[in-house]
Amino acid sequence: KQEVTQIPAALSVPEGENLVLNCSFTDSAIYNLQWFRQDPGKGLTSLLLIQSSQREQTSGRLNASLDKSSGRSTLYIAASQPGDSATYLCALAEGSYIPTFGRGTSLIVHP
Amino acid sequence: DADVTQTPRNRITKTGKRIMLECSQTKGHDRMYWYRQDPGLGLRLIYYSFDVKDINKGEISDGYSVSRQAQAKFSLSLESAIPNQTALYFCATSEGPLETQYFGPGTRLLVL
Repeated sequence: KQEVTQIPAALSVPEGENLVLNCSFTDSAIYNLQWFRQDPGKGLTSLLLIQSSQREQTSGRLNASLDKSSGRSTLYIAASQPGDSATYLCALAEGSYIPTFGRGTSLIVHP
Repeated sequence: DADVTQTPRNRITKTGKRIMLECSQTKGHDRMYWYRQDPGLGLRLIYYSFDVKDINKGEISDGYSVSRQAQAKFSLSLESAIPNQTALYFCATSEGPLETQYFGPGTRLLVL
């Protein structure tokens, strides 16, 4: 069974720092990987979707990479801002096309 | 207006009661999903539907049932609520198997 791990579980950084969130998985036979953002008490918002044939995707200050051979994805946030404070979840789809979610990394960016 | 809506947003009920959570979407997607989120456990899939006639159990379907009334509507029922069903419930949709999922705002359920 696929296992998705996100480390660290929580992260606190000062505003302006560049930071990396990690997502690791045990089975590399995936179709895609998504990164989501969740604000407290709210639903999930998709940030980036990487298909299995791709190595990375970029949107504004966000860059997500995928390395299937090592079972890893990273979400890079450049020049972090207090508004980036949220929980970030990765989810990957495999044989059944149903996403398996990690437990998330809770990020606080303090002024 | 939001693309995926859920009602109610908050619900308090008692053990043994039957309740229904509703989800509607205006995105025209065939695929719809119900998840629950518990602190420290992430999101777990309860049921999913690939079209009106195709409904499938997810990881944790025991104690739940669903109804896909139309392409746009997917309801989740708790036949006899129990306290460990207290959680945040999310509905989601997607256009295809490899496409982005769009989530509703969630329903916070408390079972006393």
